[in-house]
Amino acid sequence: GAVVSQHPSRVICKSGTSVKIECRSLDFQATTMFWYRQFPKKSLMLMATSNEGSKATYEQGVEKDKFLINHASLTLSTLTVTSAHPEDSSFYICSARDMDHSYNSPLHFGNGTRLTVT
Amino acid sequence: AQKVTQAQTEISVVEKEDVTLDCVYETRDTTYYLFWYKQPPSGELVFLIRRNSFDEQNEISGRYSWNFQKSTSSFNFTITASQVVDSAVYFCALSEKRSGANSKLTFGKGITLSVRP
Repeated sequence: GAVVSQHPSRVICKSGTSVKIECRSLDFQATTMFWYRQFPKKSLMLMATSNEGSKATYEQGVEKDKFLINHASLTLSTLTVTSAHPEDSSFYICSARDMDHSYNSPLHFGNGTRLTVT
Repeated sequence: AQKVTQAQTEISVVEKEDVTLDCVYETRDTTYYLFWYKQPPSGELVFLIRRNSFDEQNEISGRYSWNFQKSTSSFNFTITASQVVDSAVYFCALSEKRSGANSKLTFGKGITLSVRP
């Protein structure tokens, strides 16, 4: 089945530094990738929709200058948390939809990245 | 706006018991898709099922079954003869058609299922 690889799985960084998270579709091409943040009470919140070759579309309340998203190729999207603060500590999950399938195809999820900002 | 409600937050059962996870959704669209995902302790999200709004047939896959009731906007998930490996967080999600290729999923808050031996 379709595989989405997310790296790193865990990262600890100091407050004020930036962290980059990569999301790769390994066996399919994805024109659209989605970035979610999972809060401690388990709900998944969509942060942004990333389209290959164009600017990401951010959800209301998500700071685009803080969470930089780049989707440079059909298999790679990156999320950079800039000037991280402890409140940015969370579980970040990317997902992708096979471009050969329509909107009703299931999203394939990465394994997530646990970010801890000290 | 679309919304998914999973009123149950935590469920604990003993192995071999049957358990039903509830999901109620809201949408203005007539065409939409419903999903269930499983998130084991390791963190990854595992796709379980997709159902479109025009197909109200119930589905069974091994010990898993799903009951889609459009009249009550519910898409409930039953695990029969639960096993310890079923312990996970289960998410119900909704995708609307009108967003096209960028159609995003709206998730419920998830239900933590614990199956005790």
